[in-house]
Amino acid sequence: AQSVAQPEDQVNVAEGNPLTVKCTYSVSGNPYLFWYVQYPNRGLQFLLKYITGDNLVKGSYGFEAEFNKSQTSFHLKKPSALVSDSALYFCAVIGSSNTGKLIFGQGTTLQVKP
Amino acid sequence: SAVISQKPSRDICQRGTSLTIQCQVDSQVTMMFWYRQQPGQSLTLIATANQGSEATYESGFVIDKFPISRPNLTFSTLTVSNMSPEDSSIYLCSVVSTGVLETQYFGPGTRLLVL
Repeated sequence: AQSVAQPEDQVNVAEGNPLTVKCTYSVSGNPYLFWYVQYPNRGLQFLLKYITGDNLVKGSYGFEAEFNKSQTSFHLKKPSALVSDSALYFCAVIGSSNTGKLIFGQGTTLQVKP
Repeated sequence: SAVISQKPSRDICQRGTSLTIQCQVDSQVTMMFWYRQQPGQSLTLIATANQGSEATYESGFVIDKFPISRPNLTFSTLTVSNMSPEDSSIYLCSVVSTGVLETQYFGPGTRLLVL
């Protein structure tokens, strides 16, 4: 079965420090991976995706993610965190390339402290 | 990306009643989905809304409880029927503009509280 795991419920970093939010996946076939962010009382906003090509994917708001096939990971990163980055982050994978349905991880709360 | 709106944005309902949530997109899209996000939880897919035909429901979700319509390529509704407090959640619609591997964009969500 297709699945996504985000092993950390919460990540705490100081403003200006690099941040990493972890994601691992389990799929049959090619993985199609996404990161979304949810701010309080808001819907989900798309950050970036990996479909094919370069393993390092750059997205919105200075975020990037590295696809690692051997480790089945797609960790979200940012070189310098901002307090405004504090939000709930979801990793997702397309469960079936024929249907486009997304399977989400459980989410990781990122807290950036001044 | 498509601009997606949902109505209502939030509601408080009594148990046993039904609520219909609307999802409107500013352009034609190929796929529309409905998700549920229970308090403190991740998103779970309820169903794929199919234009002009019955929705495709995920395991654990049934048409009698969550009837869905999609009369055209820009609009869909989700009804939460015979509500109970356990239905208190955020309901989100999402769309894909072209192919199945394209980015899925989400509406702002409808926050439902059932008393």
